[in-house]
Amino acid sequence: EPEVTQTPSHQVTQMGQEVILRCVPISNHLYFYWYRQILGQKVEFLVSFYNNEISEKSEIFDDQFSVERPDGSNFTLKIRSTKLEDSAMYFCASSGVTSGSYNEQFFGPGTRLTVL
Amino acid sequence: AQSVTQLDSQVPVFEEAPVELRCNYSSSVSVYLFWYVQYPNQGLQLLLKYLSGSTLVESINGFEAEFNKSQTSFHLRKPSVHISDTAEYFCAVRKTSYDKVIFGPGTSLSVIP
Repeated sequence: EPEVTQTPSHQVTQMGQEVILRCVPISNHLYFYWYRQILGQKVEFLVSFYNNEISEKSEIFDDQFSVERPDGSNFTLKIRSTKLEDSAMYFCASSGVTSGSYNEQFFGPGTRLTVL
Repeated sequence: AQSVTQLDSQVPVFEEAPVELRCNYSSSVSVYLFWYVQYPNQGLQLLLKYLSGSTLVESINGFEAEFNKSQTSFHLRKPSVHISDTAEYFCAVRKTSYDKVIFGPGTSLSVIP
């Protein structure tokens, strides 16, 4: 069964450093998403991406964040200068574009980011 | 805009007892409804979903949820819980097939032996 994969599973970084979280969505999907979950809290939407551009972003997704689809398979989330409060689990998701039917959104296993 | 409320942040229940986790949503348009489960230190798993049709939906491990449009609710129930059901449960909504998923704050279910 196809699945969304994310690397690394756990990333530890120093405050102020740049991090790139990587995701490989399901191959024929065209909608991509990032969410985050601060420890003990709910899952929050960050950004959605379609047709090589951001289709929607939340207020959390400020200038420190960026997304990119550098090739036909990867979807990345970059945090330019990490802060302590960026420590969270980051989930990638993707969904297809079959018209006339519901398109399931599949979630990856997550990357746990720890900022020291 | 849509929002999801889960009134119970923690629900302790004895093994083999029934449980209900409450979920209410707010939306000016029709939405799809979901329950996700997150086991300790793991990712999100889709437990069940309501897209259309029968208002009662079931999962393969004995959970069921009922969509009630008039009460804007989608409560999750299980007649007899197991220790392995201990997890965080998130109710969620989605406006369209391409839209983001909006999650509730979660309910921590603890099953007591």
